[in-house]
Amino acid sequence: AQTVTQSQPEMSVQEAETVTLSCTYDTSESDYYLFWYKQPPSRQMILVIRQEAYKQQNATENRFSVNFQKAAKSFSLKISDSQLGDAAMYFCAYRSASGANSKLTFGKGITLSVRP
Amino acid sequence: DTEVTQTPKHLVMGMTNKKSLKCEQHMGHRAMYWYKQKAKKPPELMFVYSYEKLSINESVPSRFSPECPNSSLLNLHLHALQPEDSALYLCASSHYRGIAETQYFGPGTRLLVL
Repeated sequence: AQTVTQSQPEMSVQEAETVTLSCTYDTSESDYYLFWYKQPPSRQMILVIRQEAYKQQNATENRFSVNFQKAAKSFSLKISDSQLGDAAMYFCAYRSASGANSKLTFGKGITLSVRP
Repeated sequence: DTEVTQTPKHLVMGMTNKKSLKCEQHMGHRAMYWYKQKAKKPPELMFVYSYEKLSINESVPSRFSPECPNSSLLNLHLHALQPEDSALYLCASSHYRGIAETQYFGPGTRLLVL
C-alpha cells in the first residue's frame, strides 16, 4: 500500500519570503501522479500543482513549484514570494496511474501561516 | 471551468432526522466521490461512483446512502446519524482515466449532528 508522509505539522513564513513544504511517499509502482492541495480555513480545497511521475521536469505554476525526486520518493512544494492568502493547510497526495478507480492517498497535512 | 457545487453549506440535524447532501458538476466528469473530513485531518474517502455506478464503498456505515441519479449529480442520504458523524463532507469529481484524473473538490457541507 502507498503511504504519504508530511512530517512537519506546522510551518511559518514571512510575507514575500520563500518556504518549502516537505512530502515523502512510499510506493512500489513506477507510474503515478502526485498533487499538492491547498485548503484555507473554512474554505474550499483547491489543486495547487500536480506532477506526473514519468516526467523528469519539475512542475511549476506561477509562484508554486515542486522539487520531484523520484528515486528518493520526495515531492516538496516551494512557495516563492509568499502572500497572506497562502496561509492554509496543504496536503500532499498520491494517486496510482493504474486503474481508473485508484484512490487519492493523502498525507496528514501541514498548516502554513504567513507573517505580515 | 473546474467548479463543483455542494448544497447545503451547513446542516444541523438530530439523530432521528433524515437529510440529504447534494453535489453537482458540469465538467463532463464521469467519476464522483464523497469524502468525510474532520478538522485538521486529511479527507477520508467514503464512496466512488464511476459512470453513475458505485465502484468503491470504503466500508461506510449504512446510515450513509449514496446515490448518483445522473452524470452530473451525486447525493448522500443521511439517516440516524451519530454525533461522531459531525464533519465536513466533501464531494469531488474527475475524468474517469488518464492524465486528467485530477480530482476537483467542492466547498463541502459542514454537518453537525446533535
